[in-house]
Amino acid sequence: EPEVTQTPSHQVTQMGQEVILRCVPISNHLYFYWYRQILGQKVEFLVSFYNNEISEKSEIFDDQFSVERPDGSNFTLKIRSTKLEDSAMYFCAGAPGANNEQFFGPGTRLTVL
Amino acid sequence: AQSVTQLGSHVSVSEGALVLLRCNYSSSVPPYLFWYVQYPNQGLQLLLKYTTGATLVKGINGFEAEFKKSETSFHLTKPSAHMSDAAEYFCAVSGSGSARQLTFGSGTQLTVLP
Repeated sequence: EPEVTQTPSHQVTQMGQEVILRCVPISNHLYFYWYRQILGQKVEFLVSFYNNEISEKSEIFDDQFSVERPDGSNFTLKIRSTKLEDSAMYFCAGAPGANNEQFFGPGTRLTVL
Repeated sequence: AQSVTQLGSHVSVSEGALVLLRCNYSSSVPPYLFWYVQYPNQGLQLLLKYTTGATLVKGINGFEAEFKKSETSFHLTKPSAHMSDAAEYFCAVSGSGSARQLTFGSGTQLTVLP
C-alpha cells in the first residue's frame, strides 16, 4: 500500500540556521499540506499546495517559511532562519482531491537549539 | 471559520468497556469531519470520516461515529475497548478554503486499563 514518507525523521539545528524538511507524497495525489504539532499541543495547519502554487496558508506560515515541489515527486518545507519556537513535529499530508481524506506522513521532529 | 472542541484531554476505560470520545465542531460550511489516531512516535492515521450521506459512519478497528447536525457533534465510540486502542485521538473538520485544510481538536489521550 502506498504511503507518504518524510525525511529526516529527526532534525536538530541551531537557531538561525536554515532547514529543509522533505516529503514524498503518494504519486497520484494532487493536494499537499504541511501541518505542525508543538509538543503537547494540537496539530496546526501551515500551508496547502496545489497545481504548483500555495492555495491556502495560515498565520504561522510567515516569510520565514516556503514550500516547493521541485521535481514532481518531492514536496519540501524550508524554514529560512529557525527560531526556538519552531521546534515541533512537522507532518506532510496529501490527498487526491480537496474533498478526499488526507494521508499523513510519519513526521519530522525538528529541534531548534 | 472552523473550530473543534474535544471534551476531555484524558479518558481512561477498562478493557472491554465502552469507549466514548467527544467532539463538537463549528463550521461555516457543511462540514467534512474526521477522526485520526496517533500512536506514540507515529503519524496520524485516519479512523473514519463523514462527508455526506449516512450519519453513522463506521471506521477501522471497530470504531464508529455519528454526525449530529443539531448538536454539532461527531462523537467517537467503540463498544469494547482493547489494550491496543491506547493512543491519542484527534477530531478534525475540513475548512472552507479551496484545499479544505483540516482544523484539529486538541486531542484526547485514551488509556485502556487491564
